Amino acid sequence: DTGVSQDPRHKITKRGQNVTFRCDPISEHNRLYWYRQTLGQGPEFLTYFQNEAQLEKSRLLSNRFSAERPKGSFSTLEIQRTEQGDSAMYLCAGAGADEQFFGPGTRLTVL
Amino acid sequence: QQQVKQSPQSLIVQKGGISIINCAYENTAFDYFPWYQQFPGKGPALLIAIRPDVSEKKEGRFTISFNKSAKQFSLHIMDSQPGDSATYFCAGIMNRDDKIIFGKGTRLHILP
Repeated sequence: DTGVSQDPRHKITKRGQNVTFRCDPISEHNRLYWYRQTLGQGPEFLTYFQNEAQLEKSRLLSNRFSAERPKGSFSTLEIQRTEQGDSAMYLCAGAGADEQFFGPGTRLTVL
Repeated sequence: QQQVKQSPQSLIVQKGGISIINCAYENTAFDYFPWYQQFPGKGPALLIAIRPDVSEKKEGRFTISFNKSAKQFSLHIMDSQPGDSATYFCAGIMNRDDKIIFGKGTRLHILP
């Protein structure tokens, strides 16, 4: 158990709907990362927080995606106006001084 | 641009055999090369990692061999067991607190 939890574990939505995912790292994780993993591929970086500051965003993160980490604890990732291409596993990772510890992911299916 | 290329895509090995997965990287700014193991329904978990100033690192049945001049590294799993059946990802990181650049993964199946 990495101590990183994600909610929900599965989400099915219709195209055009908005969805929000939550990640809860442990308190020692001052860094938090979001990745997206599609079937048969490795995870791809989306965005990175140092405490509450969002320090880097991938160009994969279109303007329909937004992430927050209020108070430097949990984080949320919102996708607006979902598209079928957004179907993927969304992984969160927390890190302290060193290694990134991944949560179990949220699997999103857009119909 | 894919910065870390991994092969094979899938691998079947008999129990007790040696599993070998290969990776090549393009970005010479990488200074940390981890391998991750992922089981279905779980996030990736760090298995073993190496820095480019070391040619080999061994932890139990898992060994990384690193060839800096060729920009290649490989994972060897000795005495492969059915419990090793998982997807393995090689990766590169530019510094320890940076984002991870993953390969596409290798699905390993160990026959009982």
